[in-house]
Amino acid sequence: ETGVTQSPTHLIKTRGQQVTLRCSSQSGHNTVSWYQQALGQGPQFIFQYYREEENGRGNFPPRFSGLQFPNYSSELNVNALELDDSALYLCASSRNTGGGSNQPQHFGDGTRLSIL
Amino acid sequence: EDQVTQSPEALRLQEGESSSLNCSYTVSGLRGLFWYRQDPGKGPEFLFTLYSAGEEKEKERLKATLTKKESFLHITAPKPEDSATYLCAVRPYGGATNKLIFGTGTLLAVQP
Repeated sequence: ETGVTQSPTHLIKTRGQQVTLRCSSQSGHNTVSWYQQALGQGPQFIFQYYREEENGRGNFPPRFSGLQFPNYSSELNVNALELDDSALYLCASSRNTGGGSNQPQHFGDGTRLSIL
Repeated sequence: EDQVTQSPEALRLQEGESSSLNCSYTVSGLRGLFWYRQDPGKGPEFLFTLYSAGEEKEKERLKATLTKKESFLHITAPKPEDSATYLCAVRPYGGATNKLIFGTGTLLAVQP
């Protein structure tokens, strides 16, 4: 069984640039959630994708956007990067039947994004 | 507002010295409480899900319990390989998302 994989593992950008992070979900999982984890903090929910649509969002501005593809993989896009966007970005997948699920989310190892 | 508080922030144990980590939560309705382990430079690794007060789950040296206000992760006779950050998260009722609200974690160091 293949787990959640994310790419790239590390990325360095400058303020104002744009970035795209990628995630392949675990086999059999149809839902992808993205989290931001600052140093020394717990992960914070950015948004979730199910059936190729965003179906839930945390307190993040519109410059954080995403996509989900027919094979359930996903992208996180961040525009106009700011210094505070420096963090570990985690992707988590789970199996969802549409009304929300109590199945555990399984996480990838994240992309470490540094903004200079 | 839904909130999760973990204590202590850091804990240092000798190998074999049992202890407990605490997770206090405030949530409008609890769909589930989750424990994860996170090693440096890695993503969180799923340990347990608890759904209702009184429930207990065990795995090797770890045992998780749940009340209406808090959860405990008991570590019995820990080994150095149990050293990690332990994260607690709640999933509230409402909406179609699987959104998890995390605490800031407890950094556990087990010395040989």
